[in-house]
Amino acid sequence: GAVVSQHPSRVICKSGTSVKIECRSLDFQATTMFWYRQFPKQSLMLMATSNEGSKATYEQGVEKDKFLINHASLTLSTLTVTSAHPEDSSFYICSAPGTGFMETQYFGPGTRLLVL
Amino acid sequence: SQQGEEDPQALSIQEGENATMNCSYKTSINNLQWYRQNSGRGLVHLILIRSNEREKHSGRLRVTLDTSKKSSSLLITASRAADTASYFCALNSGYSTLTFGKGTMLLVSP
Repeated sequence: GAVVSQHPSRVICKSGTSVKIECRSLDFQATTMFWYRQFPKQSLMLMATSNEGSKATYEQGVEKDKFLINHASLTLSTLTVTSAHPEDSSFYICSAPGTGFMETQYFGPGTRLLVL
Repeated sequence: SQQGEEDPQALSIQEGENATMNCSYKTSINNLQWYRQNSGRGLVHLILIRSNEREKHSGRLRVTLDTSKKSSSLLITASRAADTASYFCALNSGYSTLTFGKGTMLLVSP
């Protein structure tokens, strides 16, 4: 099946710094990728849809200036959490839809962010 | 809300027993999917059932869909300790985005 990787797997940073998370589709091209956020024992909440070559589409309530998304190639999308604060600590997961009807999604392993 | 609601929130069983998880939703769907998540990891797609299908099987998994009741169930037969994970239903309403339920945490004890 299709493989999606994320880097880093976990990151600890100081409050006020920016953190970049990469999401790569390893063996397929993805014009669209999705970024989710998951709090402990909670569901995945879609933050934004990353579109290759165009602006990302953000879900209601997600600050686009805080969560910068760049989808510069068909295999790479990045999420940058700018000026991170402790409340941004969470598990960030990306996914890419499969080929064909693009109905199922292939998920990366996630990035655990801890902001001190 | 398009979010699915799973129940139970948590389920604890012994190896060899069957595990049944349910998902209810409120809007119309194109298909419904079930995903599995091991602790601290990404999600793995298990099975997809379309709105015109009523039942689907994949190995030890059986999924049913009742669009009149807007509900789906996931049955795992002959459970194993390795089935311990969280299970999420996800709703697809015709676009490529998915809306996830809150999940059921399954614990299978040896």
